Amino acid sequence: AQSVAQPEDQVNVAEGNPLTVKCTYSVSGNPYLFWYVQYPNRGLQFLLKYITGDNLVKGSYGFEAEFNKSQTSFHLKKPSALVSDSALYFCAVRETGTASKLTFGTGTRLQVTL
Amino acid sequence: DAGVIQSPRHEVTEMGQEVTLRCKPISGHNSLFWYRQTMMRGLELLIYFNNNVPIDDSGMPEDRFSAKMPNASFSTLKIQPSEPRDSAVYFCASSLLTGQETQYFGPGTRLLVL
Repeated sequence: AQSVAQPEDQVNVAEGNPLTVKCTYSVSGNPYLFWYVQYPNRGLQFLLKYITGDNLVKGSYGFEAEFNKSQTSFHLKKPSALVSDSALYFCAVRETGTASKLTFGTGTRLQVTL
Repeated sequence: DAGVIQSPRHEVTEMGQEVTLRCKPISGHNSLFWYRQTMMRGLELLIYFNNNVPIDDSGMPEDRFSAKMPNASFSTLKIQPSEPRDSAVYFCASSLLTGQETQYFGPGTRLLVL
């Protein structure tokens, strides 16, 4: 069975500093990996995904994520955080060759302060 | 594109009443997902459809919950009878069956059962 773990409930970072939101996954085969962001009282919004190819994936709003197969990780990063990045971030995984179902992590709340 | 449309956005009802949530997926998408989000349980997949056919309903909590997709542009999630523990935000998402599909979420329906 596929699973994903987000070990941090909350990440705090000062504006202008780099941020990292961690995600590790478990699948039997090759993974498709996704990051979503949820702002208050809104639905989940797609940020980026890894399917195949370059391990560094660039997405919306300056976010990027690095796929590391040996560490089964897909950490979300941004070089310089903004206060407006404060939100709830979800990592999700789907195993290739399986049906459409995504498995989501429990979410990490990012708090960016001035 | 209008995105995924959900109605109502907010619903307040009394225990025992029937509740119907509605979803219109993105035009052309052929997979549709219903999720529930609570503080305690996070984001849970309830059921999903491919080409209007239910594929996996293992996440449906009990027989009080039912979902239908009579055509490619409409789906309902019904709770009958509703209970206070059903209070949550219910999200609908849709995607295109390509093998690499990204799910796009609606704004959600916030349900409060008194």
